[in-house]
Amino acid sequence: EDQVTQSPEALRLQEGESSSLNCSYTVSGLRGLFWYRQDPGKGPEFLFTLYSAGEEKEKERLKATLTKKESFLHITAPKPEDSATYLCAVRRGSSNTGKLIFGQGTTLQVKP
Amino acid sequence: DSGVTQTPKHLITATGQRVTLRCSPRSGDLSVYWYQQSLDQGLQFLIQYYNGEERAKGNILERFSAQQFPDLHSELNLSSLELGDSALYFCASSRGTEEQFFGPGTRLTVL
Repeated sequence: EDQVTQSPEALRLQEGESSSLNCSYTVSGLRGLFWYRQDPGKGPEFLFTLYSAGEEKEKERLKATLTKKESFLHITAPKPEDSATYLCAVRRGSSNTGKLIFGQGTTLQVKP
Repeated sequence: DSGVTQTPKHLITATGQRVTLRCSPRSGDLSVYWYQQSLDQGLQFLIQYYNGEERAKGNILERFSAQQFPDLHSELNLSSLELGDSALYFCASSRGTEEQFFGPGTRLTVL
């Protein structure tokens, strides 16, 4: 069964304290791993897509990496405005659809 | 702003009632997806339409139905509502099957 597990569930950081969020996945033939950011009561905001092991993508203080079994979202010198829930999702390779399977998310709080 | 619009923003209704949620995708996007987000279940895929045709079904109850119209907007119909249907309902769109862009959601409260 396809599964996405994110850890930790919640993370508290001081401003400037770098850390990583983990997304472990079990899927039949990965055809894309997606990272989203979600603020309370809002829709998820697209961050990155990764397709193959070894791939990396960066955007401001965020860097996403992918291995054959997991993905990491590294946050470098975070600021309070980075506080949000970060969601990871996968799309299976055998699917002709865009159906995404989401993890439960990691809620990040960055304190000034 | 993702370019995906959803109406209404909030909906409060009673058990047993029927409601319709509406979604307009980004300009040029042919795929529309519906997701349900509740506190205990996270984001769950309900259904996908591509250029007017149903492409994939997820954990969508028989009481729920959807359609995509020729102008590509989509509607999600929820009937015989139960307390447990209270959730955030998101619509997303994409060009094909790559990254999806989400709307602001409709918060449904069933009393």
